[in-house]
Amino acid sequence: EAAVTQSPRNKVAVTGGKVTLSCNQTNNHNNMYWYRQDTGHGLRLIHYSYGAGSTEKGDIPDGYKASRPSQENFSLILELATPSQTSVYFCASGDPGGVYAEQFFGPGTRLTVL
Amino acid sequence: QQQVRQSPQSLTVWEGETAILNCSYEDSTFNYFPWYQQFPGEGPALLISIRSVSDKKEDGRFTIFFNKREKKLSLHITDSQPGDSATYFCAASESNNRIFFGDGTQLVVKP
Repeated sequence: EAAVTQSPRNKVAVTGGKVTLSCNQTNNHNNMYWYRQDTGHGLRLIHYSYGAGSTEKGDIPDGYKASRPSQENFSLILELATPSQTSVYFCASGDPGGVYAEQFFGPGTRLTVL
Repeated sequence: QQQVRQSPQSLTVWEGETAILNCSYEDSTFNYFPWYQQFPGEGPALLISIRSVSDKKEDGRFTIFFNKREKKLSLHITDSQPGDSATYFCAASESNNRIFFGDGTQLVVKP
């Protein structure tokens, strides 16, 4: 059974609208991450979290907010969506308790902002 | 400044050949180097990894060669199969801190 799930899998939004992408993990990992993937840019880190109640800015946080209400759930929020935020978004979880931190990825959410 | 660089951007090999994917990094404090494999429509998944204390790591047909002095790595896929066609990400990390990903190499293995 999938340990990191994302919803929705596909989303079409309008410019200026609010979008919430959700992620759930059953790995019991403390760390969770949000990335976006665009052709030619690989995986770029937007926000991450060390545990419930914590959120940290990654490399490209502008235009995004994050929320970590529980160990299992981590949301990415686009308050005012823009076409430049059209992308594929991946959530991941990782265990900082290990010496070397592997990250486990969800299946991704394809977001199109019109 | 990009922490991890990969080349080539795309690579096509014939079935049975060895595919060589290259990677370099900037920060000399990085000590853990995972390679992730991603198939279309899926999230990346860990394929193989190496720690900086080693210069080689093998797992079946997949081998990482690591040169700490030059801050370079390469992933060799021997006897390449069409099922190996995917995007491969080289990444780097310092212990259990965040992972920095390269832009990926798209591998196509032709039958």
